[in-house]
Amino acid sequence: KQEVTQIPAALSVPEGENLVLNCSFTDSAIYNLQWFRQDPGKGLTSLLLIQSSQREQTSGRLNASLDKSSGRSTLYIAASQPGDSATYLCAVRNFNKFYFGSGTKLNVKP
Amino acid sequence: EAQVTQNPRYLITVTGKKLTVTCSQNMNHEYMSWYRQDPGLGLRQIYYSMNVEVTDKGDVPEGYKVSRKEKRNFPLILESPSPNQTSLYFCASSEYRGLAGYTFGSGTRLTVV
Repeated sequence: KQEVTQIPAALSVPEGENLVLNCSFTDSAIYNLQWFRQDPGKGLTSLLLIQSSQREQTSGRLNASLDKSSGRSTLYIAASQPGDSATYLCAVRNFNKFYFGSGTKLNVKP
Repeated sequence: EAQVTQNPRYLITVTGKKLTVTCSQNMNHEYMSWYRQDPGLGLRQIYYSMNVEVTDKGDVPEGYKVSRKEKRNFPLILESPSPNQTSLYFCASSEYRGLAGYTFGSGTRLTVV
């Protein structure tokens, strides 16, 4: 069974820092990998979707990379802002099953 | 606007009183799913549906029912809610093709007393 792990579980950084969130998965036979943002008590907002054939995707200050062979993805956030404070989850898709990591809770201090 | 709509957003009910949480999507997605999210346990899949009249159990289906009579709707039914079903519930949808990602609803906060 696919297992998705996110490290670290929590991260606190000062405003302006560049940071990297990690996601690893055990089965490399994935269709795609998706990064989500979740604010407390709210729904999941899709940030980036990387297909299995792609190496990276970018949206504004966010860049996600995918190394399928090693079972890893990273989410890079440039010039972090207090508004980036949230929990970030990654999910991988194997056919019609989605597997979620437990998330990284990010706190960006002003 | 493409979206998944859940109702209600908040619900407080008593043990044993049947309830339904509705989910509707306007993206013509074949695949729909329900999750519950609890502190320390992450997202756990309850049921999913790959198309109309096709549903299957996820990881934690006990105490829940679903139906998929129309493509756009996928209601979650709790026939006899219990306090251990107090949770944050999410509906999500996707195209059947593997290239597509997930779109989530805003969530339903359910409290069973």
